[in-house]
Amino acid sequence: GESVGLHLPTLSVQEGDNSIINCAYSNSASDYFIWYKQESGKGPQFIIDIRSNMDKRQGQRVTVLLNKTVKHLSLQIAATQPGDSAVYFCAENILTGGGNKLTFGTGTQLKVEL
Amino acid sequence: EAGVTQFPSHSVIEKGQTVTLRCDPISGHDNLYWYRRVMGKEIKFLLHFVKESKQDESGMPNNRFLAERTGGTYSTLKVQPAELEDSGVYFCASSQEGTKFYNEQFFGPGTRLTVL
Repeated sequence: GESVGLHLPTLSVQEGDNSIINCAYSNSASDYFIWYKQESGKGPQFIIDIRSNMDKRQGQRVTVLLNKTVKHLSLQIAATQPGDSAVYFCAENILTGGGNKLTFGTGTQLKVEL
Repeated sequence: EAGVTQFPSHSVIEKGQTVTLRCDPISGHDNLYWYRRVMGKEIKFLLHFVKESKQDESGMPNNRFLAERTGGTYSTLKVQPAELEDSGVYFCASSQEGTKFYNEQFFGPGTRLTVL
């Protein structure tokens, strides 16, 4: 897998606790936001998304909150499990004719301690 | 259904050499994207194909990088000549054509490139 620990913010949580991962975005024109999970040796995997006209969206064990006033996103993971250990990226979606262009944040390494 | 595949998974080359990365998108996906992540930093957009046409190549760092998608199926990304700062993980993603607000991009496992 990638060696990312030295360059990434790291969040360590105990198994069963809730995790909150934060992300700031820069483009106030962004209209869609996505959280991705990247496990070692794999590509980014879609977790949950939210449109700019919403401030909260819930999935299975995950919730995304959007605060457009301060351009902030957060991902909440309930009852964190060892399988949640990964790097988490937020991404802004910018529509470009015929497709979508993602702008990613730096990423946060989530470590789940047993 | 097979996901996005990339080849090779790892490549180690010397500065000045040439490397070609390959991406096979999900069958039927017209949109194909290249991204890269260098030095453990954020994943950055390189370019976007719609079928065989380059829709947006604003993220290509310089003219040492050449992407092609002949026939609108698989794509290649060639780096020639490679420099040390090109080391990183190169991701490919694909999505369907459509009028949906957002067409989910499915990512491949990436190619780790190391330039010595």
